[in-house]
Amino acid sequence: QSALTQPASVSGSPGQSITISCSGTRSDVGDSNVVSWYQQHPGKAPKLMIYEVGKRPSGVSDRFSGSKSGNTASLTIYGLQAEDEGDYYCCSHGGSTRHWVFGGGTKLTVL
Amino acid sequence: QVQLVESGGGVVQPGGSLRLSCAASGIAFSTYAMHWVRQAPGKGLEWVAFIHYDEVQNFYADSVKGRFTISRDNSKNTLYLQMNSLRDEDTAVYYCAKETSGSNPFDSWGQGTLVTVSS
Repeated sequence: QSALTQPASVSGSPGQSITISCSGTRSDVGDSNVVSWYQQHPGKAPKLMIYEVGKRPSGVSDRFSGSKSGNTASLTIYGLQAEDEGDYYCCSHGGSTRHWVFGGGTKLTVL
Repeated sequence: QVQLVESGGGVVQPGGSLRLSCAASGIAFSTYAMHWVRQAPGKGLEWVAFIHYDEVQNFYADSVKGRFTISRDNSKNTLYLQMNSLRDEDTAVYYCAKETSGSNPFDSWGQGTLVTVSS
């Protein structure tokens, strides 16, 4: 199963908003609402930021928002802060199979 | 508070075997499905394997199917990954992750354990 497609890098200044896209197919992103997003800082384990396309776990800032249209999911971060810098990964359920596929990751730089 | 602690990583020669463990605490381990996810050095995340909370179902990525076996001991609150016929491309940090539900697959992660396959 092929990885989901994310931009390699995005950047923004503090206070700005950025959006990271995650493109899949009708068999994964387009087939369900089981899309999640993870933040990873260097040398650390990933952290769940968004699940079920747009739901935030307890403790995650409401500056993080998820959405989906067709075969593409998106993560938007409002009011960028320095601590948002890191790598972001999307993930989707692989359709009817109990397989999971991640995006290649996007490096967010806060200028 | 959920705590997942992986162990068992190390250096192994190609073709060799290794067993990873993931000790869980702070949760009713026997009620949660679990996953292994890996990350090669400088690369992205790759899902490896899934196990149902009562072991009735296991699933594997094509890249490890037939070589890796996921299992668990609910009496010990521990998840395992038996890795056989290891290849250079299996070199990675291996994370265990807890699944809250099918729609929230990786809500808690361990700190990871490094597996290096090298001669």
